[in-house]
Amino acid sequence: GAVVSQHPSWVICKSGTSVKIECRSLDFQATTMFWYRQFPKQSLMLMATSNEGSKATYEQGVEKDKFLINHASLTLSTLTVTSAHPEDSSFYICSASRALLNYGYTFGSGTRLTVV
Amino acid sequence: TQLLEQSPQFLSIQEGENLTVYCNSSSVFSSLQWYRQEPGEGPVLLVTVVTGGEVKKLKRLTFQFGDARKDSSLHITAAQPGDTGLYLCAGFDTGTASKLTFGTGTRLQVTL
Repeated sequence: GAVVSQHPSWVICKSGTSVKIECRSLDFQATTMFWYRQFPKQSLMLMATSNEGSKATYEQGVEKDKFLINHASLTLSTLTVTSAHPEDSSFYICSASRALLNYGYTFGSGTRLTVV
Repeated sequence: TQLLEQSPQFLSIQEGENLTVYCNSSSVFSSLQWYRQEPGEGPVLLVTVVTGGEVKKLKRLTFQFGDARKDSSLHITAAQPGDTGLYLCAGFDTGTASKLTFGTGTRLQVTL
């Protein structure tokens, strides 16, 4: 159990376009999902906390107008990178948890975004 | 901001050797987790430690949570090439909106 599906696994887009990444909890309901960004050979940096039915909470330094997060249901959160630029190229990962502490966090397989 | 420093940052060893990875912080965490991540994939949870001083074993991996719940270690016995990957500790504090703070990471390479 506790499977998180992330789609697409990789995407290449032109500079100035927008890209949507989906994160789904397949066999459980996730009231909270998290979005991370990871640069090559670095650790995961939390971008925002996505709460079902409410606005996302962004970490300091993350532009909420550029990284739009929607958590419309208990099984789906989306991250939209708007007006993407080459510096937005990165590995984006989502995670979700059923019950904190006991189950830990299940991570998606990540999305490799390349902006050209 | 809670910070988790891992050491070493990079470790290259031969098959059969033992190694220890450290995860240190000045903050107290209610629990701490260890993940392993392979290139192009998301992190996979290895263990969660909750009690100060707790020791957990997962086959050849031994995890320890410091008495003060500020640090942790991961010891691998007789490393194998399949252990190669990025090892991440992550601290969980219910006081910070239930989010995980990840360590700086340790990249392990095990060669034949």
